Amino acid sequence: GENVGLHLPTLSVQEGDNSIINCAYSNSASDYFIWYKQESGKGPQFIIDIRSNMDKRQGQRVTVLLNKTVKHLSLQIAATQPGDSAVYFCAENSPDSNYQLIWGAGTKLIIKP
Amino acid sequence: DTEVTQTPKHLVMGMTNKKSLKCEQHMGHRAMYWYKQKAKKPPELMFVYSYEKLSINESVPSRFSPECPNSSLLNLHLHALQPEDSALYLCASSQAQDNSPLHFGNGTRLTVT
Repeated sequence: GENVGLHLPTLSVQEGDNSIINCAYSNSASDYFIWYKQESGKGPQFIIDIRSNMDKRQGQRVTVLLNKTVKHLSLQIAATQPGDSAVYFCAENSPDSNYQLIWGAGTKLIIKP
Repeated sequence: DTEVTQTPKHLVMGMTNKKSLKCEQHMGHRAMYWYKQKAKKPPELMFVYSYEKLSINESVPSRFSPECPNSSLLNLHLHALQPEDSALYLCASSQAQDNSPLHFGNGTRLTVT
């Protein structure tokens, strides 16, 4: 049978290039969004968050963009390094969900040397 | 290193065994969480404690029993598990049960034989 759900979406990026990981969210009432990085054998690690009253937020080498019109969230990683290899999850939060995170499926980022 | 500590890192147990997973945080966070994560999937919420009281139980089978002895500790008692319960069990904490980021431990890799 078909292995539905057993393969994560994958993004391959050349070392040193910028990476853009995209995420669509479903709930227009969501007011808080967060990106996590999960390396093999570890728990999810907080990267950056953004609230719905903003459309852009920058951290160290990372930028999150929020487009509420089309319910789209993206994570940009500048000058991608081998240590950026991981699975990246977006998550949304809203009063509707009693402030419990609703997670995206995840994207596996592979860095090519 | 993560500020949320989980023990043990790995656990193999038979279907008739009783075991406990432990989680500790010293960040003064008042919300603590148990998540279950299967391979190549996002974490699934199991339980939330807020100010040491059970706030959310996501219809988890009774063979999983959470306990919050104090504001820094969270346990998950396991009894009569099934092989399909094999997964990575993640503990997390946040300042409160609201729009604040979750901080995860590195999980306990559980195998039920």
